Amino acid sequence: SYELTQPPSVSVSPGQTATITCSGDKLGDKYACWYQQKPGQSPILVIYQDSKRPSGIPERFSGSNSGNTATLTISGTQAMDEADYYCQAWDSSTYVFGPGTKVTVL
Amino acid sequence: QLQLQESGPGLLEPSETLSLTCAVSGFSISSGYYWGWIRQPPGKGLEWIGNLYHSGTTYYNPSLESRLTMSVDTSKNHFSLKLRSVTAADTAVYYCARALTGDLAYFDYWGQGTLVTVSS
Repeated sequence: SYELTQPPSVSVSPGQTATITCSGDKLGDKYACWYQQKPGQSPILVIYQDSKRPSGIPERFSGSNSGNTATLTISGTQAMDEADYYCQAWDSSTYVFGPGTKVTVL
Repeated sequence: QLQLQESGPGLLEPSETLSLTCAVSGFSISSGYYWGWIRQPPGKGLEWIGNLYHSGTTYYNPSLESRLTMSVDTSKNHFSLKLRSVTAADTAVYYCARALTGDLAYFDYWGQGTLVTVSS
């Protein structure tokens, strides 16, 4: 079965750039999306189709996908961006989620 | 404004059947999207359970398929999940969501989630 891997944690200072990676075999040949989940809340879609932002998602969230790695970038990270982030892709008629990355804003 | 609301019993005993319903408001369940279930064990990541279309077409997670049935009631604008023979490993927050399927697959609207605990 297809697997996605993410770093367990990423730390970033306020105002700096956070980069979260998601790796999978030939992931660049698929579309990746990203969800943000804060404690006790439902996930929110922040990036879909590799790099598109849903309505209401701040421009500081951006995404890319090439080769074996999809990347979520948070520019000018704010304290409110502290959350778990999950990547997700579609493979063999199944939705595959990455294990999640905890972003800490120090 | 599209909203999804999960409902169902919060506590089950092992071997029972988990039954959940997701009520959709502000959007017709027959309007060309798939509808899905995702779960999250306490302190862990997200796991896709399955999706269905208003026509009855379903996609199931192969690891759950043998115990899983999903259905839709367009007259009530809701869809349902049944997971048979539950064990403690099925303890999780269960979310329903609106889905796109195929190459563009993602979930764009989520319910608030409902905690289901399996314990004797």
